[in-house]
Amino acid sequence: QKEVEQNSGPLSVPEGAIASLNCTYSDRGSQSFFWYRQYSGKSPELIMSIYSNGDKEDGRFTAQLNKASQYVSLLIRDSQPSDSATYLCAHEPGTYKYIFGTGTRLKVLA
Amino acid sequence: ETGVTQSPTHLIKTRGQQVTLRCSSQSGHNTVSWYQQALGQGPQFIFQYYREEENGRGNFPPRFSGLQFPNYSSELNVNALELDDSALYLCASSGRTEYNTGELFFGEGSRLTVL
Repeated sequence: QKEVEQNSGPLSVPEGAIASLNCTYSDRGSQSFFWYRQYSGKSPELIMSIYSNGDKEDGRFTAQLNKASQYVSLLIRDSQPSDSATYLCAHEPGTYKYIFGTGTRLKVLA
Repeated sequence: ETGVTQSPTHLIKTRGQQVTLRCSSQSGHNTVSWYQQALGQGPQFIFQYYREEENGRGNFPPRFSGLQFPNYSSELNVNALELDDSALYLCASSGRTEYNTGELFFGEGSRLTVL
């Protein structure tokens, strides 16, 4: 079982729609969770961090965490073509390293 | 505020050679972590440096080594390069606390090609 599982996609959504990206993780002890955006050929850029169960909103982005289900998601409202990228989910299982998923490729269609 | 900078951005080496990659951490950050990202994969943790000492290591052989300097900058050294070492090498800095690494902020990466 992979430590962090993401659907590789591509996930295609029309411009203006809500994009929903999902991630499951295997380590029940993890307390810190992160979403990164990575454009092709570029380095990952931190979008959101979330540490508590529930929702955390920042602009058009909402992260949702459910530790009991070992599930974290990212919603992107009013998706724009510039949101087209690979979205990486990561968690820190208390060992001072991040564990990343392989990423979900998002395509926002104009 | 200065972000994380890495050098060189691209380099080509041949099998068996050695390479040194450099990283300057973001202002105010005390910790540097190195990750390897192969094509189509997520970043894989190599090691972390805090207070000039290695603090945690991923599943990488000893030919991957590093240093952290008093100004928190860091180097990643890879000896005896293999073809599979071809990847994007990412440096990330953070403000580590007693409880966690903190949010990682990545540099632009060094893309290594081994022929």
